[in-house]
Amino acid sequence: DIQMTQSPSTLSATVGDRVTITCRASQSISSWLAWYQQKPGKAPKLLIYKASSLESGVPSRFSGSGSGTEFTLTISSLQPDDFATYYCQQYNRYPWTFGQGTKVEIK
Amino acid sequence: EVELVEYGGGLVQPGGSLRLSCAASGFTFSSYAMSWVRQAPGKGPEWVFVISGSGANTYYADSVKGRFTISRDNSKSTLFLQMNSLRVEDTAVYYCAKGSILVDRGYFDLWGRGTLVTVSS
Repeated sequence: DIQMTQSPSTLSATVGDRVTITCRASQSISSWLAWYQQKPGKAPKLLIYKASSLESGVPSRFSGSGSGTEFTLTISSLQPDDFATYYCQQYNRYPWTFGQGTKVEIK
Repeated sequence: EVELVEYGGGLVQPGGSLRLSCAASGFTFSSYAMSWVRQAPGKGPEWVFVISGSGANTYYADSVKGRFTISRDNSKSTLFLQMNSLRVEDTAVYYCAKGSILVDRGYFDLWGRGTLVTVSS
């Protein structure tokens, strides 16, 4: 199975900060990577697919980059609604696998 | 409205069975691959099973091999997950998730609210 490792596990930030989350794959997944946002008690929400394609309706402050084994999710200016847990997910090979998550907390 | 609603969760004893359903609305159900994704308490999501739009192709995680079965009824826009030989470690919120037209493009752009399955004696 392809292992997805996110860093950091927790991130403390303030409104307006630029935030970057890293996701590393245990083997190359080309650009077959998605990012999700999840709030407590809710289902995950798709933010980014194919590493850098912004899902319709998602604010442009979210962006994704990378290919191969290293990927990043960037929030250009953190907003109050962005405090949540973020997951990466590879879909290059079965079984599709998720990272362990990065919790973005209020500093 | 585009929506997925799961049904059928509950408390079951180890070794027991449960059948989950997911009712879809607001999109052409038969055109899209559909998945079940589960999330144990305090853990990240775990993809479990996918079925192609026609139902002809399915893929699964090894953790459910031989115990779970996925199916769909396109005439009723409904997805199913039959879960047999349930284990304590199957305890999780089970989400129905909409995939792509291509079954291998495995990202999920629509999720249900989830249904809790608890396996305990």
